Amino acid sequence: GNSVTQMEGPVTLSEEAFLTINCTYTATGYPSLFWYVQYPGEGLQLLLKATKADDKGSNKGFEATYRKETTSFHLEKGSVQVSDSAVYFCALSDQANAGKSTFGDGTTLTVKP
Amino acid sequence: GAVVSQHPSWVICKSGTSVKIECRSLDFQATTMFWYRQFPKQSLMLMATSNEGSKATYEQGVEKDKFLINHASLTLSTLTVTSAHPEDSSFYICSARGEDASRYEQYFGPGTRLTVT
Repeated sequence: GNSVTQMEGPVTLSEEAFLTINCTYTATGYPSLFWYVQYPGEGLQLLLKATKADDKGSNKGFEATYRKETTSFHLEKGSVQVSDSAVYFCALSDQANAGKSTFGDGTTLTVKP
Repeated sequence: GAVVSQHPSWVICKSGTSVKIECRSLDFQATTMFWYRQFPKQSLMLMATSNEGSKATYEQGVEKDKFLINHASLTLSTLTVTSAHPEDSSFYICSARGEDASRYEQYFGPGTRLTVT
């Protein structure tokens, strides 16, 4: 079955530091890959996505590249802000699993001023 | 575009009562809706998948008689927690996908915090 493995948290960074959150996946088909962000007490917001190998998703300074050869979709940001503090979820969906999403366990990011 | 709302955003109920949570797609027709449950500091657990006009498909271990799901229209799905108990207290999140969904993209609601006393 499908699975997503995320870097364990929590991650604590100083403002303007470089962020990497690792994500690797296992899937039987050709999945689409997503990063979602969840702020305290809220639902999930789509941060970025990539639908095929070598695609790069980007949004609000965050980037992730769909690497089929390493089955990875690592999230990066060059300079984090305090407002980026949240929980980040890596996820995949594919036709083989009826389009259901499989989520990683989430990584909590805290950015200190 | 692609906004999903949930109502209520939070609810407190007494043990033994039933609670209904609504999930609406505001600006698109949702052929498929998903219901998730999230425990504190944990990931989302898929409870069930509902398609408009048909019975919901429940994940293994989810009691379908306890968590009633109705997807009566292309913009509304409801989750009813029947005879709620304190262990049902959780954060419930729905998501929706339209007919022209871009490669399985889902749009998430803001969640409903249920507390059973």
